[in-house]
Amino acid sequence: DQQVKQNSPSLSVQEGRISILNCDYTNSMFDYFLWYKKYPAEGPTFLISISSIKDKNEDGRFTVFLNKSAKHLSLHIVPSQPGDSAVYFCAASAGEYGNKLVFGAGTILRVKS
Amino acid sequence: GAVVSQHPSWVICKSGTSVKIECRSLDFQATTMFWYRQFPKQSLMLMATSNEGSKATYEQGVEKDKFLINHASLTLSTLTVTSAHPEDSSFYICSATWTGGRRQPQHFGDGTRLSIL
Repeated sequence: DQQVKQNSPSLSVQEGRISILNCDYTNSMFDYFLWYKKYPAEGPTFLISISSIKDKNEDGRFTVFLNKSAKHLSLHIVPSQPGDSAVYFCAASAGEYGNKLVFGAGTILRVKS
Repeated sequence: GAVVSQHPSWVICKSGTSVKIECRSLDFQATTMFWYRQFPKQSLMLMATSNEGSKATYEQGVEKDKFLINHASLTLSTLTVTSAHPEDSSFYICSATWTGGRRQPQHFGDGTRLSIL
């Protein structure tokens, strides 16, 4: 049972444009959501997070939106840069479960120059 | 800040060998560390959660006697793959976090590529 889903395996965007990565979840107990960026043969790098009490969090070029009623979150990267090309993982946790993270399958983002 | 170091980055060894992987938080005290495994082109799968000074909690299907976890201090956790076999070959990644008033993200090491011949 996949509790966190990233339905787009890959996304290709032109440099300077907006990248939108999507994530859906099924477990209503999740109350903390994170986005990580990962390069091959490296560990994930934390990008941005959002608590369920908010619907938006912004950090520089990265903005995460949370729609609790739809159980959906998205990561916007504006403007996209070639260095943003990586695999992006959405993750969710619930305080009830000891803050363990459940990861989505990841989306490969390619930013073309 | 929030740097996690994992060592070694790559191990190749013979079947039957035991392999130890270290995970260190360099600039913070990690009350909780997690160990993950990633298969090619798949997501990260949580293996176990370890809290400093207590026994690790293993996820369903993960053999405790196969994957020994020790979290002896607030900056170090180790994963020992005992009597490793080719099917244990994988990418192992640790993460660390600390408890506080706010929820904190997990910070990851760079992983260990384990190849068993």
